[in-house]
Amino acid sequence: DGGITQSPKYLFRKEGQNVTLSCEQNLNHDAMYWYRQDPGQGLRLIYYSQIVNDFQKGDIAEGYSVSREKKESFPLTVTSAQKNPTAFYLCASSIAGGETQYFGPGTRLLVL
Amino acid sequence: AQSVTQPDIHITVSEGASLELRCNYSYGATPYLFWYVQSPGQGLQLLLKYFSGDTLVQGIKGFEAEFKRSQSSFNLRKPSVHWSDAAEYFCAVGDNYGQNFVFGPGTRLSVLP
Repeated sequence: DGGITQSPKYLFRKEGQNVTLSCEQNLNHDAMYWYRQDPGQGLRLIYYSQIVNDFQKGDIAEGYSVSREKKESFPLTVTSAQKNPTAFYLCASSIAGGETQYFGPGTRLLVL
Repeated sequence: AQSVTQPDIHITVSEGASLELRCNYSYGATPYLFWYVQSPGQGLQLLLKYFSGDTLVQGIKGFEAEFKRSQSSFNLRKPSVHWSDAAEYFCAVGDNYGQNFVFGPGTRLSVLP
């Protein structure tokens, strides 16, 4: 089945720790995205990538980092510089920027 | 820059009643328009999309939306709501230059039995 997978479903972070959220897609999409969603709020764009080895900051990139070494993978690292990381993180992909985005099931990050 | 507004933060309807969720956008050219639905703790699922052609588009789960250029709107409708439709609904606009994709703030739908 084609789709987007995110792991883990739940992730716990200790203070000062970096954690990495996984996002994999087998849709052969060029573009991939990371969004943050806080309770009762919409989606805010963290980073996006339109092609391998290239990515751009979104609206709230501070405290996050990404890599795009392979077309199918776009991991997000939440660094210790992100002081309020508790949120629901959604990964998406599309054939190209501006086109229909397809979403993974999300990862909920909690701080211990 | 593109923007999307969804004027209603929360709507409550009775099961079996009709539904209309409002979406207004700001964009200089003909936009790509989308409606997504999100159940609690889940990712977003695409309901329908408009790129061009017929301004009334049909989607999954009995939803439809109408593009009205003169009003910069893309409202979502359903003639008879089911309890399983309770969720968060997001309108989004993309551009045909492959540069931007913007989501609205969402409308939470509650359904009364």
